[in-house]
Amino acid sequence: ILNVEQSPQSLHVQEGDSTNFTCSFPSSNFYALHWYRWETAKSPEALFVMTLNGDEKKKGRISATLNTKEGYSYLYIKGSQPEDSATYLCAFGSNDYKLSFGAGTTVTVRA
Amino acid sequence: SAVISQKPSRDICQRGTSLTIQCQVDSQVTMMFWYRQQPGQSLTLIATANQGSEATYESGFVIDKFPISRPNLTFSTLTVSNMSPEDSSIYLCSVLKRDEQYFGPGTRLTVT
Repeated sequence: ILNVEQSPQSLHVQEGDSTNFTCSFPSSNFYALHWYRWETAKSPEALFVMTLNGDEKKKGRISATLNTKEGYSYLYIKGSQPEDSATYLCAFGSNDYKLSFGAGTTVTVRA
Repeated sequence: SAVISQKPSRDICQRGTSLTIQCQVDSQVTMMFWYRQQPGQSLTLIATANQGSEATYESGFVIDKFPISRPNLTFSTLTVSNMSPEDSSIYLCSVLKRDEQYFGPGTRLTVT
């Protein structure tokens, strides 16, 4: 069982503010790091798949960075909007495509 | 991408009974996975279901408790057998397409 940790567990953000949170994972035998957004009663939505150390990916106001040598990834939300409220999951991907998930960071954006 | 549907979306079941969850994909895929999320826990992989072969189970999960069928490249079922309250979870199927996993909306199961 791989130890994937996310912090904080939850956070509240004022609309318009920016925020970020962390995913830490084992730095050995790295293959891929996945980020998902999961809204209640919906399918988890794939945000990013990151494979290279130093990778930075962006999708609209959301971006992510990856440091495979020290075993962490940051997810950033710029100018938070109420529709960004969700649980954000990171998952460590192995070379056989199995995913080991963190517990998630639940973001609540207050209008 | 892939569009995935699951049935049922939720259910409340009595202990000792079994429930079969269906997962349907809009395109043919080789690899499908079943996960569960118990209350307050992380999403955890139950098994990998490839068409034409037996499902492979992760540590802590056994075929007698979670039998899986994969009759073709667009469909799979997971049965939760002889349920107990500890089986109350969200069960999700996922598929692999071009190195990305796409998830269904989940089945919310409550066992009383």
